[in-house]
Amino acid sequence: GAVVSQHPSRVICKSGTSVKIECRSLDFQATTMFWYRQFPKKSLMLMATSNEGSKATYEQGVEKDKFLINHASLTLSTLTVTSAHPEDSSFYICSARGLAGVQTGETQYFGPGTRLLVL
Amino acid sequence: SQQGEEDPQALSIQEGENATMNCSYKTSINNLQWYRQNSGRGLVHLILIRSNEREKHSGRLRVTLDTSKKSSSLLITASRAADTASYFCATDGAGGENKLTFGTGTQLKVEL
Repeated sequence: GAVVSQHPSRVICKSGTSVKIECRSLDFQATTMFWYRQFPKKSLMLMATSNEGSKATYEQGVEKDKFLINHASLTLSTLTVTSAHPEDSSFYICSARGLAGVQTGETQYFGPGTRLLVL
Repeated sequence: SQQGEEDPQALSIQEGENATMNCSYKTSINNLQWYRQNSGRGLVHLILIRSNEREKHSGRLRVTLDTSKKSSSLLITASRAADTASYFCATDGAGGENKLTFGTGTQLKVEL
């Protein structure tokens, strides 16, 4: 149980285009989803926290107009990298947490990640 | 910001040996979690230890938590080549924000 998927697993795009990454909780309802960014051989950096039906909360230094997050349902959150540039190339990982008080409410379950390369 | 510092940054051992990784953090926590990441993959949750717990076991994993020293350790016993991965600690702060702050990670290599 507690499986999170991400799509696509990797994407290559031209500079200036927008890229959408989907994060789905497959077998539980995710009230909260998180988006992280990871550089090679580095730790995860939290970009934003999204709660279903409300606006995402962005971490300091993360441009909300650059990284659009939508959490329209309890099983789906999307991250759109708008007008992507080479410096946006990175590994993007989402995680999902379920309802408080149940097992999935205490632990974040991570997706397999999306590798973005902007040419 | 990354509040967790892990050491060592890299660890290379022989199969069958034990591997110990340490994590230090700076603020009060609700719990501390350990994750594993294979190269280029997502994170796999290994174990969660709450702030009122001192030790926890799961299979070949043993985690300790010392809140007075703000530190935790992960011990993998009888390591296997398949344990080769990066290991991260992550703290769930006591501030009510319910978000994880990840440590810098330890790259473990288990050689045959």
